[in-house]
Amino acid sequence: QKEVEQNSGPLSVPEGAIASLNCTYSDRGSQSFFWYRQYSGKSPELIMFIYSNGDKEDGRFTAQLNKASQYVSLLIRDSQPSDSATYLCAVNPNSGNTPLVFGKGTRLSVIA
Amino acid sequence: DGGITQSPKYLFRKEGQNVTLSCEQNLNHDAMYWYRQDPGQGLRLIYYSQIVNDFQKGDIAEGYSVSREKKESFPLTVTSAQKNPTAFYLCASSPDRDSIYEQYFGPGTRLTVT
Repeated sequence: QKEVEQNSGPLSVPEGAIASLNCTYSDRGSQSFFWYRQYSGKSPELIMFIYSNGDKEDGRFTAQLNKASQYVSLLIRDSQPSDSATYLCAVNPNSGNTPLVFGKGTRLSVIA
Repeated sequence: DGGITQSPKYLFRKEGQNVTLSCEQNLNHDAMYWYRQDPGQGLRLIYYSQIVNDFQKGDIAEGYSVSREKKESFPLTVTSAQKNPTAFYLCASSPDRDSIYEQYFGPGTRLTVT
């Protein structure tokens, strides 16, 4: 059973702080990794993907991947109240175009 | 505008009735997916299709059926055999390029069965 684990939260951070969201996965052969943001009542929106060990930065967001330890994280710098949402981690366990395995998400609350 | 459309946004049905949810994409994506999301829960895969005229069951296919007659369309039928059909249904698609296979989601259909 391929699993993706996330702390459900809520994770509360003050406005302007760094929010750190973590995700672990069970399948060592997983190839690519994704972070989605889902606002309440809306569909998930792709924020970033990463497939190589290390960091990948996009604006205020940084994805970090450590395949040896089987974890992927998302850092949000200068957190804003508009970042308050549920963040879903997803993993492609194969090298082909197959369904992603999703975590249950971490709820982030940024306090103004 | 390129994207994934789902209709309707809200759907109400009586118990015992079959209902079909629409999903259309004009992104020329090869693969399409159907997920179900219940309050406070993660996404659960119902069915997926990687090419036209072919589809595979996901983790919770019982009580659902799909078809993939055209690349851009992947309708989902919720049958009367589905024990607890009230949920938020999400359609997604993914391109077959660059070996990344990221998924993009439609806006979703919220189904209520009473």
